[in-house]
Amino acid sequence: QSVLTQPPSVSGAPGQRVTISCTGSSSNIGADYDVHWYQQLPGRAPNLLIYGTTSRPSGVPDRFSGSKSGTSASLAITGLQAEDEADYYCQSYDSSLSGFVIFGGGTKLTVL
Amino acid sequence: QVQLQESGPGLVKPSETLSLTCVVSGVPMTDYYWTWLRQPPGKGLEWLAYIYYVGATNYNPSVEGRVTILQDTSRNQFSLRLNSVTAADTAVYYCAGGEVAGGLYIAAWGQGTLVTVSS
Repeated sequence: QSVLTQPPSVSGAPGQRVTISCTGSSSNIGADYDVHWYQQLPGRAPNLLIYGTTSRPSGVPDRFSGSKSGTSASLAITGLQAEDEADYYCQSYDSSLSGFVIFGGGTKLTVL
Repeated sequence: QVQLQESGPGLVKPSETLSLTCVVSGVPMTDYYWTWLRQPPGKGLEWLAYIYYVGATNYNPSVEGRVTILQDTSRNQFSLRLNSVTAADTAVYYCAGGEVAGGLYIAAWGQGTLVTVSS
Protein backbone atom coordinates (compact mmCIF):
# COMPACT_ATOMS: atom_id res chain seq x y z
CA GLN A 1 0.00 0.00 0.00
CA SER A 2 1.63 3.21 -1.19
CA VAL A 3 1.60 6.36 0.91
CA LEU A 4 0.68 8.35 -2.19
CA THR A 5 -2.37 7.21 -4.16
CA GLN A 6 -2.47 7.23 -7.95
CA PRO A 7 -5.09 5.81 -10.32
CA PRO A 8 -3.90 2.46 -11.68
CA SER A 9 -4.56 3.49 -15.24
CA VAL A 10 -5.56 6.37 -17.49
CA SER A 11 -5.98 6.56 -21.23
CA GLY A 12 -6.37 9.08 -24.00
CA ALA A 13 -6.31 9.45 -27.75
CA PRO A 14 -3.41 11.04 -29.60
CA GLY A 15 -3.52 14.81 -29.32
CA GLN A 16 -5.71 14.80 -26.23
CA ARG A 17 -4.91 16.04 -22.74
CA VAL A 18 -4.74 13.68 -19.79
CA THR A 19 -4.08 14.22 -16.12
CA ILE A 20 -2.73 11.84 -13.51
CA SER A 21 -3.56 12.53 -9.88
CA CYS A 22 -1.42 11.85 -6.83
CA THR A 23 -3.21 12.05 -3.49
CA GLY A 24 -1.36 12.29 -0.22
CA SER A 25 -2.03 13.59 3.28
CA SER A 26 -1.16 16.28 5.77
CA SER A 27 2.22 14.66 6.48
CA ASN A 28 3.47 14.82 2.90
CA ILE A 29 1.92 16.81 0.04
CA GLY A 30 -0.37 18.67 2.44
CA ALA A 31 2.64 19.71 4.51
CA ASP A 32 3.82 21.70 1.50
CA TYR A 33 6.52 19.27 0.44
CA ASP A 34 7.27 19.26 -3.26
CA VAL A 35 6.10 16.54 -5.62
CA HIS A 36 8.25 14.98 -8.32
CA TRP A 37 7.20 12.84 -11.28
CA TYR A 38 8.92 10.06 -13.21
CA GLN A 39 8.18 8.35 -16.50
CA GLN A 40 9.07 4.68 -16.88
CA LEU A 41 8.96 3.30 -20.39
CA PRO A 42 8.47 -0.48 -20.71
CA GLY A 43 11.60 -2.38 -19.68
CA ARG A 44 13.51 0.78 -18.83
CA ALA A 45 14.64 2.60 -15.72
CA PRO A 46 12.49 5.52 -14.59
CA ASN A 47 13.34 8.99 -15.85
CA LEU A 48 12.78 12.32 -14.09
CA LEU A 49 9.91 14.22 -15.68
CA ILE A 50 9.01 16.98 -13.18
CA TYR A 51 10.86 18.12 -10.06
CA GLY A 52 9.99 20.66 -7.42
CA THR A 53 6.28 20.20 -8.29
CA THR A 54 6.40 22.33 -11.45
CA SER A 55 9.93 22.34 -12.92
CA ARG A 56 11.00 20.38 -15.98
CA PRO A 57 14.54 19.05 -16.44
CA SER A 58 16.31 20.03 -19.61
CA GLY A 59 15.02 17.97 -22.51
CA VAL A 60 11.53 17.29 -21.15
CA PRO A 61 8.92 18.73 -23.52
CA ASP A 62 6.63 21.47 -22.22
CA ARG A 63 3.69 19.15 -22.97
CA PHE A 64 4.35 17.83 -19.47
CA SER A 65 3.41 19.99 -16.51
CA GLY A 66 2.91 19.56 -12.79
CA SER A 67 0.73 21.24 -10.21
CA LYS A 68 -0.30 20.86 -6.58
CA SER A 69 -3.27 21.86 -4.44
CA GLY A 70 -3.89 20.90 -0.84
CA THR A 71 -3.03 17.26 -0.30
CA SER A 72 -2.99 16.36 -4.00
CA ALA A 73 -0.80 16.88 -7.03
CA SER A 74 -1.35 16.35 -10.72
CA LEU A 75 0.67 15.63 -13.82
CA ALA A 76 -0.83 16.95 -17.04
CA ILE A 77 0.17 15.77 -20.49
CA THR A 78 -1.09 17.72 -23.47
CA GLY A 79 -0.87 16.79 -27.14
CA LEU A 80 -0.70 13.11 -26.23
CA GLN A 81 1.69 11.07 -28.37
CA ALA A 82 2.13 7.32 -28.81
CA GLU A 83 5.56 7.47 -27.17
CA ASP A 84 3.99 8.81 -23.98
CA GLU A 85 2.60 5.34 -23.27
CA ALA A 86 4.40 4.43 -20.05
CA ASP A 87 4.08 4.12 -16.30
CA TYR A 88 4.14 7.35 -14.33
CA TYR A 89 5.09 7.70 -10.66
CA CYS A 90 4.73 10.59 -8.26
CA GLN A 91 7.15 11.02 -5.36
CA SER A 92 7.39 13.27 -2.32
CA TYR A 93 8.65 13.43 1.23
CA ASP A 94 6.80 12.33 4.34
CA SER A 95 7.39 13.71 7.83
CA SER A 96 5.90 10.70 9.58
CA LEU A 97 7.47 7.26 9.85
CA SER A 98 6.97 6.48 6.16
CA GLY A 99 10.41 7.61 5.18
CA PHE A 100 12.15 10.43 3.45
CA VAL A 101 11.29 9.38 -0.10
CA ILE A 102 7.79 8.09 -0.78
CA PHE A 103 6.26 7.03 -4.08
CA GLY A 104 2.81 6.60 -5.49
CA GLY A 105 1.85 3.18 -6.76
CA GLY A 106 2.19 4.22 -10.38
CA THR A 107 -0.25 4.91 -13.22
CA LYS A 108 -0.22 3.12 -16.56
CA LEU A 109 -0.95 5.55 -19.39
CA THR A 110 -2.38 3.98 -22.50
CA VAL A 111 -2.50 5.95 -25.73
CA LEU A 112 -5.53 4.71 -27.64
CA GLN B 1 26.65 13.76 -17.49
CA VAL B 2 26.43 11.33 -14.61
CA GLN B 3 26.49 7.64 -15.42
CA LEU B 4 25.70 4.87 -12.96
CA GLN B 5 26.29 1.15 -13.31
CA GLU B 6 25.10 -1.48 -10.87
CA SER B 7 26.84 -4.80 -10.38
CA GLY B 8 26.36 -7.81 -8.15
CA PRO B 9 24.95 -11.34 -7.99
CA GLY B 10 21.68 -11.93 -9.78
CA LEU B 11 20.73 -14.76 -7.44
CA VAL B 12 20.84 -14.77 -3.64
CA LYS B 13 19.71 -17.53 -1.31
CA PRO B 14 17.09 -16.87 1.37
CA SER B 15 18.52 -15.65 4.71
CA GLU B 16 21.76 -14.57 3.05
CA THR B 17 23.05 -11.05 2.34
CA LEU B 18 22.40 -9.19 -0.90
CA SER B 19 25.37 -7.02 -1.91
CA LEU B 20 25.38 -4.57 -4.80
CA THR B 21 27.85 -1.96 -5.98
CA CYS B 22 27.29 1.13 -8.10
CA VAL B 23 30.10 2.77 -10.01
CA VAL B 24 29.70 6.49 -10.60
CA SER B 25 31.26 8.26 -13.57
CA GLY B 26 31.04 11.70 -15.10
CA VAL B 27 30.60 13.67 -11.86
CA PRO B 28 32.37 13.96 -8.49
CA MET B 29 30.91 12.05 -5.57
CA THR B 30 30.13 15.39 -3.91
CA ASP B 31 27.44 16.24 -6.47
CA TYR B 32 24.56 13.97 -5.47
CA TYR B 33 22.83 12.08 -2.71
CA TRP B 34 23.70 8.51 -3.72
CA THR B 35 20.60 6.40 -3.51
CA TRP B 36 19.35 2.84 -3.81
CA LEU B 37 15.80 1.99 -4.85
CA ARG B 38 14.08 -1.20 -5.93
CA GLN B 39 11.10 -2.36 -7.94
CA PRO B 40 9.61 -5.84 -7.46
CA PRO B 41 8.50 -7.45 -10.73
CA GLY B 42 5.30 -5.82 -11.94
CA LYS B 43 5.13 -3.47 -8.95
CA GLY B 44 6.01 0.07 -8.01
CA LEU B 45 9.13 1.85 -6.84
CA GLU B 46 10.50 1.74 -3.30
CA TRP B 47 13.28 3.93 -1.93
CA LEU B 48 15.74 2.04 0.28
CA ALA B 49 18.51 4.39 1.38
CA TYR B 50 20.73 7.30 0.52
CA ILE B 51 24.17 8.52 1.51
CA TYR B 52 25.70 11.96 1.12
CA TYR B 53 29.41 12.43 0.51
CA VAL B 54 30.01 13.62 4.08
CA GLY B 55 28.78 10.22 5.21
CA ALA B 56 25.27 11.14 6.32
CA THR B 57 22.79 8.35 5.66
CA ASN B 58 19.03 7.79 5.72
CA TYR B 59 17.13 4.54 5.48
CA ASN B 60 13.59 3.54 4.67
CA PRO B 61 11.99 2.43 7.96
CA SER B 62 10.61 -0.62 6.16
CA VAL B 63 14.12 -2.06 5.73
CA GLU B 64 16.02 -0.24 8.46
CA GLY B 65 17.97 -2.72 10.54
CA ARG B 66 18.58 -4.96 7.53
CA VAL B 67 20.12 -2.44 5.14
CA THR B 68 23.46 -0.63 5.00
CA ILE B 69 24.62 1.88 2.44
CA LEU B 70 28.32 2.64 2.13
CA GLN B 71 30.49 4.75 -0.12
CA ASP B 72 34.06 4.61 -1.35
CA THR B 73 34.79 8.06 -2.71
CA SER B 74 38.32 7.10 -3.72
CA ARG B 75 36.87 4.55 -6.13
CA ASN B 76 33.82 6.60 -7.11
CA GLN B 77 31.38 3.96 -5.97
CA PHE B 78 28.77 3.22 -3.36
CA SER B 79 27.20 -0.02 -2.24
CA LEU B 80 24.13 -1.64 -0.71
CA ARG B 81 23.94 -4.54 1.70
CA LEU B 82 20.61 -6.10 2.60
CA ASN B 83 20.66 -8.82 5.24
CA SER B 84 18.38 -11.80 5.85
CA VAL B 85 16.75 -11.63 2.46
CA THR B 86 13.50 -13.38 1.60
CA ALA B 87 11.57 -13.88 -1.61
CA ALA B 88 9.93 -10.51 -0.95
CA ASP B 89 13.30 -8.87 -1.65
CA THR B 90 13.28 -10.10 -5.24
CA ALA B 91 13.34 -6.95 -7.36
CA VAL B 92 15.16 -4.82 -9.88
CA TYR B 93 17.58 -2.74 -7.82
CA TYR B 94 18.48 0.72 -9.07
CA CYS B 95 21.33 2.92 -7.97
CA ALA B 96 20.67 6.58 -8.48
CA GLY B 97 21.75 10.13 -7.85
CA GLY B 98 19.46 12.35 -5.85
CA GLU B 99 19.22 16.11 -5.63
CA VAL B 100 17.41 18.28 -3.14
CA ALA B 101 14.74 20.81 -4.09
CA GLY B 102 11.81 20.76 -1.74
CA GLY B 103 12.89 17.31 -0.72
CA LEU B 104 15.01 14.68 -2.35
CA TYR B 105 14.27 13.67 -5.93
CA ILE B 106 16.05 11.24 -8.21
CA ALA B 107 17.85 13.10 -10.99
CA ALA B 108 19.83 10.22 -12.46
CA TRP B 109 19.20 6.48 -12.57
CA GLY B 110 21.28 3.42 -13.30
CA GLN B 111 19.86 0.84 -15.69
CA GLY B 112 18.91 -1.48 -12.84
CA THR B 113 19.89 -5.03 -11.97
CA LEU B 114 17.51 -7.89 -11.24
CA VAL B 115 18.17 -9.75 -8.01
CA THR B 116 16.24 -12.94 -7.40
CA VAL B 117 16.04 -14.47 -3.94
CA SER B 118 15.65 -18.22 -4.28
CA SER B 119 17.23 -21.41 -3.04
